[in-house]
Amino acid sequence: DAKTTQPPSMDCAEGRAANLPCNHSTISGNEYVYWYRQIHSQGPQYIIHGLKNNETNEMASLIITEDRKSSTLILPHATLRDTAVYYCIVWSSGGSNYKLTFGKGTLLTVNP
Amino acid sequence: NAGVMQNPRHLVRRRGQEARLRCSPMKGHSHVYWYRQLPEEGLKFMVYLQKENIIDESGMPKERFSAEFPKEGPSILRIQQVVRGDSAAYFCASSPRTVNTYEQYFGPGTRLTVT
Repeated sequence: DAKTTQPPSMDCAEGRAANLPCNHSTISGNEYVYWYRQIHSQGPQYIIHGLKNNETNEMASLIITEDRKSSTLILPHATLRDTAVYYCIVWSSGGSNYKLTFGKGTLLTVNP
Repeated sequence: NAGVMQNPRHLVRRRGQEARLRCSPMKGHSHVYWYRQLPEEGLKFMVYLQKENIIDESGMPKERFSAEFPKEGPSILRIQQVVRGDSAAYFCASSPRTVNTYEQYFGPGTRLTVT
C-alpha cells in the first residue's frame, strides 16, 4: 500500500530551481516527510525532513502544504551533480520506524 | 569523519558459493541496517542490528541469509549457496540513537553478481 506518489521522471535546466512534488494524502499526525536521493551507483543520501513547517538546509528546501497531504522538495540552483532518483518517504515516530520504505521515486535529470 | 564503509564494492560469485559482505558503520553509530536493491527496483529492508543483537530480521529470506554485528568489527551479511536471483546491490546504513528524528546514513553498497 503506497503511502507516497511521485512522478516517475522530471527534467530541469542547470542553474534553475528543481521542484519535486510528492503526494501523501493519507499521512497521519505523527508522520514526518523525509527526502532521500540516490545518485547512480551510490547509496541513498538523506536530504531533509519535516513535520508540518517548511524546512531549509544547505541542500534543499521542503515545502509542506497546510493540510500536509503533499509536499515539494526544492533544489534552488540545480547542478549536473543533482541528477539522481529522489525518494519521498513518510516516516512515523512509533513502532518499527527504522524500516525505510523506498518506492520508485522521481528520476531528476539536470540538463546543461 | 569517515562515512559508512562497505567492502567489497563489487563481488562476483558462482552459483553455490558463499558471499560475505562487510559494513563498518559511522563512528559513534551502534545501529546497522541492511537493504537490498534488485535491478530496476527500490531498496527493500532486510535486517536491523545493534551490537551483538538482531533486532528485526523480518526482511531476510528464510534460508541461506544471515547477518551479525559483533562487539568488535564490522557487520557481516552472509549469503550461503548463492543463486542468480541473489544478484543485487546490497546497502548498509547506520544511525545514532536520536530522539524524534530518524536519519540513516548509507554506505556505497556492494554489488553482487552471481554467475
